[in-house]
Amino acid sequence: DQQVKQNSPSLSVQEGRISILNCDYTNSMFDYFLWYKKYPAEGPTFLISISSIKDKNEDGRFTVFLNKSAKHLSLHIVPSQPGDSAVYFCAASEAEQTGANNLFFGTGTRLTVIP
Amino acid sequence: DSGVTQTPKHLITATGQRVTLRCSPRSGDLSVYWYQQSLDQGLQFLIQYYNGEERAKGNILERFSAQQFPDLHSELNLSSLELGDSALYFCASSQGGFGNQPQHFGDGTRLSIL
Repeated sequence: DQQVKQNSPSLSVQEGRISILNCDYTNSMFDYFLWYKKYPAEGPTFLISISSIKDKNEDGRFTVFLNKSAKHLSLHIVPSQPGDSAVYFCAASEAEQTGANNLFFGTGTRLTVIP
Repeated sequence: DSGVTQTPKHLITATGQRVTLRCSPRSGDLSVYWYQQSLDQGLQFLIQYYNGEERAKGNILERFSAQQFPDLHSELNLSSLELGDSALYFCASSQGGFGNQPQHFGDGTRLSIL
């Protein structure tokens, strides 16, 4: 049973525009959420995270939004750059509530930024 | 470069064999996690070690085992290999064993079973 879902396998965006990647989860115990970027033949690279006590976290061009009532989070990249082209994974854990910080991953969204 | 080192990068072996995957965590990180990524699957958590002790277990098969040594490097042992064990195996590390902290991943070991 997939507890973290990324329903869009791919997304194409023009350079300079906003990229919005979406993620839904089913487990209400999740309280820590992360986004990872992955290039081919490399491991996932940590991008940004958010705790359930917040609804927004920003780091440069990357902003993560969390809607706990909808069990939904999104990653906004503004402006998008060709180097952002990669597979993006959403992940979640029950770190605060249970102390277990093993991650549950979505299946990824492939972002292509068109120059 | 995440600072997490995994060896070997590629491993090709036959069914029924046994292999060992190795992971060196980032300097200062006490936790090591192992994940498996099969074809068309997201990363699945296998097991976590914290400072030498097993901390959490996911859907790890009984044929698989792991350990973390005093120098904090970790090994994942896979035995009686089956075709379905072909996958990418990632190791990740974090500073502590719990709480809100990101995990940093190595580049993985690609295991192919012939």
